Amino acid sequence: DTEVTQTPKHLVMGMTNKKSLKCEQHMGHRAMYWYKQKAKKPPELMFVYSYEKLSINESVPSRFSPECPNSSLLNLHLHALQPEDSALYLCASSQEFRDNQPQHFGDGTRLSIL
Amino acid sequence: TQLLEQSPQFLSIQEGENLTVYCNSSSVFSSLQWYRQEPGEGPVLLVTVVTGGEVKKLKRLTFQFGDARKDSSLHITAAQPGDTGLYLCAGQISSGSARQLTFGSGTQLTVLP
Repeated sequence: DTEVTQTPKHLVMGMTNKKSLKCEQHMGHRAMYWYKQKAKKPPELMFVYSYEKLSINESVPSRFSPECPNSSLLNLHLHALQPEDSALYLCASSQEFRDNQPQHFGDGTRLSIL
Repeated sequence: TQLLEQSPQFLSIQEGENLTVYCNSSSVFSSLQWYRQEPGEGPVLLVTVVTGGEVKKLKRLTFQFGDARKDSSLHITAAQPGDTGLYLCAGQISSGSARQLTFGSGTQLTVLP
């Protein structure tokens, strides 16, 4: 069982819908990450939060909006997505955002855009 | 340009065979991790290596970090169908301020019974 919990596991939405992905960890980690992963490809970094502050935005379109309400929670708000945004969205956490900090991943949310 | 080159990209072998997956770069890494990902799940951390020349063993899996910390390998002995999955190497580049993980392109391993 993963220690990073993501909900929902699956999400199907239309291009005009607004939805949110949620991620939770109780390991006391202070760095949290959002990744996008296409089939059989490595994860691509989207956002990094360190101590609840946004540290990195990898030029992600504004239709993806991250939020870190507290040190255990990370949300990804979705609005007006495109079909090419269909992918597995992974959340990860690490002790801190610095060297030699392995990341622990959740099982992801499988997102399909109709 | 892929900072971490992983090979082979695909590997299909029979149960009981041995295999090696390689992860190479021209950059020096402060640490390198190996993950295995099965369908419908997130990547699961197998090992972290931080010291040049380091060798770590996890049952039938042997991980090696190159002396110069630019490359790594994963060797599996007597592969089993349960080893099937996407193997990913990922590391943090030693130079510069960037602390995010750089992922290799992945190796899709299939072990046939």
